[in-house]
Amino acid sequence: DTGVSQDPRHKITKRGQNVTFRCDPISEHNRLYWYRQTLGQGPEFLTYFQNEAQLEKSRLLSDRFSAERPKGSFSTLEIQRTEQGDSAMYLCASSLEGGGGYEQYFGPGTRLTVT
Amino acid sequence: DQQVKQNSPSLSVQEGRISILNCDYTNSMFDYFLWYKKYPAEGPTFLISISSIKDKNEDGRFTVFLNKSAKHLSLHIVPSQPGDSAVYFCAASVSDTGNQFYFGTGTSLTVIP
Repeated sequence: DTGVSQDPRHKITKRGQNVTFRCDPISEHNRLYWYRQTLGQGPEFLTYFQNEAQLEKSRLLSDRFSAERPKGSFSTLEIQRTEQGDSAMYLCASSLEGGGGYEQYFGPGTRLTVT
Repeated sequence: DQQVKQNSPSLSVQEGRISILNCDYTNSMFDYFLWYKKYPAEGPTFLISISSIKDKNEDGRFTVFLNKSAKHLSLHIVPSQPGDSAVYFCAASVSDTGNQFYFGTGTSLTVIP
């Protein structure tokens, strides 16, 4: 299977702890996106990378959140000092750069529960 | 500010009939639109897309219609099958910027056998 993979699939943590999620995109895709989805909502954009460069960050991405894509392949999303409001599904997607539109292919997500 | 809206949270359709899912948007800069399907415990799966230079795109049982003047798009599924039961999200983007998709809140489709 050469789709987008995410690890872990589920994470339960106590408030105040740090968590890190990993995303492995489709290998030839140079763009990688992070989204957050809460119950009853659609995915909300957090940030995206083109190769290793982080090109845009949403205002949803507070200072406690940091994302990296060090070699332009896999990416990590870290949340420091987690809060209960961080509980959500964190989705990663990848796509090929191209004009005229493109599809983003999503991974299965990491469900975070902060207790 | 919700730039993409799906006003029907749920829809039930008999197997074999047509399912019509609707989506409205507010940002006139959007020029690329997509529909995703999502099953529980899985990420969204790309279904079909349409560029703003077209008003219709068809792929098998799935057809997306775009009405730019009304800022409205719809997804038609004909004939509907029980396996189509899922949550459907519409999404929109400004393709030249190549960045984020704006998603609606989803419509849960149930196809009744």
